[in-house]
Amino acid sequence: EAQVTQNPRYLITVTGKKLTVTCSQNMNHEYMSWYRQDPGLGLRQIYYSMNVEVTDKGDVPEGYKVSRKEKRNFPLILESPSPNQTSLYFCASSLDPQNEQFFGPGTRLTVL
Amino acid sequence: GENVEQHPSTLSVQEGDSAVIKCTYSDSASNYFPWYKQELGKGPQLIIDIRSNVGEKKDQRIAVTLNKTAKHFSLHITETQPEDSAVYFCAASEGTGGFKTIFGAGTRLFVKA
Repeated sequence: EAQVTQNPRYLITVTGKKLTVTCSQNMNHEYMSWYRQDPGLGLRQIYYSMNVEVTDKGDVPEGYKVSRKEKRNFPLILESPSPNQTSLYFCASSLDPQNEQFFGPGTRLTVL
Repeated sequence: GENVEQHPSTLSVQEGDSAVIKCTYSDSASNYFPWYKQELGKGPQLIIDIRSNVGEKKDQRIAVTLNKTAKHFSLHITETQPEDSAVYFCAASEGTGGFKTIFGAGTRLFVKA
């Protein structure tokens, strides 16, 4: 089954404790993105990747890192999480930026 | 950079009526405009998209129109059904020079039976 998986689905952590949210897709897509969803703000792109070892900032990259060492995986790293990073996070993948993006199920992160 | 505004934020219609959601964008270089539907507890799913060389596209009860001169595009849902109740997002994406995708803030659609 073609899908995007994210782990964990739910995470409660404390300020400053490094965490990684994993994302994996099995569709051989080149374009992958991370978004955060906050009430009233819609989906905001954090980082995107056009291919292996090619990443670029979206609209809200501060406080986040990503890497793309393999085509299928695109982890999101919060090195020192803060409460304002409490949000619902989605990973997505597509053939390219101008085609349908397939979204993962979301990761709900709470930073205390 | 690109900015996408979406209206209304909430829309309530009677079953069988039509629903229209409107979006405007700021960057004339944007040339791909998808619409996503998000049901409770799930990730968004594409329902229809349109490219800048097309003015209108239809898929059964759903249609999208694009006015490049005015920089706005709209989603039209006819004969609404309760299962159309969800949050809808419009988005805009550039084709060259930048590969960001910018989403609108979303519209929560309620279809009353």
